[in-house]
Amino acid sequence: AQSVTQPDIHITVSEGASLELRCNYSYGATPYLFWYVQSPGQGLQLLLKYFSGDTLVQGIKGFEAEFKRSQSSFNLRKPSVHWSDAAEYFCAVGLMEYGNKLVFGAGTILRVKS
Amino acid sequence: DTAVSQTPKYLVTQMGNDKSIKCEQNLGHDTMYWYKQDSKKFLKIMFSYNNKELIINETVPNRFSPKSPDKAHLNLHINSLELGDSAVYFCASSFNRESDTQYFGPGTRLTVL
Repeated sequence: AQSVTQPDIHITVSEGASLELRCNYSYGATPYLFWYVQSPGQGLQLLLKYFSGDTLVQGIKGFEAEFKRSQSSFNLRKPSVHWSDAAEYFCAVGLMEYGNKLVFGAGTILRVKS
Repeated sequence: DTAVSQTPKYLVTQMGNDKSIKCEQNLGHDTMYWYKQDSKKFLKIMFSYNNKELIINETVPNRFSPKSPDKAHLNLHINSLELGDSAVYFCASSFNRESDTQYFGPGTRLTVL
């Protein structure tokens, strides 16, 4: 069955430090992959997406993610974290043959310490 | 203008009541979705409509019934509310039902007492 794993429930980084959030997926076909961010009490905002082409994708707020088919991974990175990046981050795979439904990982809570 | 809007933002009600959550998108999208986010923040799809036609119906109790009066609206009606229905419900939309980005509404926090 299709699934998304985010192995880190919580991550704490210092402001200005680099960040990597891990995401692994299980899916037989070519995946469509997404990262969304959810600030406390807010909805989900799309950070970036991968459909095809260049495996390194750029998103909003200085985030990027790299698709690695051999590792079934789509890790999110940011070179320098800002306090405003504290939020929960969700990785998702889009299942086009199932009406475009998204299967989400459990999320990673990012805490930023000053 | 808010792209995907939901009303109400908060809903507190008693067990056994019937309630509705409304969703509207002004993006001109054909496809709309309902997701449930439980207390552990886990997000799971419930339903999807494409141009007013139901295309996804996950394993959801039949107390939940989506209604799409037109392609810009997808409402969620819940009968006989139970404690376990307490969650945040998100509406989303996409241009079509194929390989397309979903844009989410702000969510409706439902609390059943």
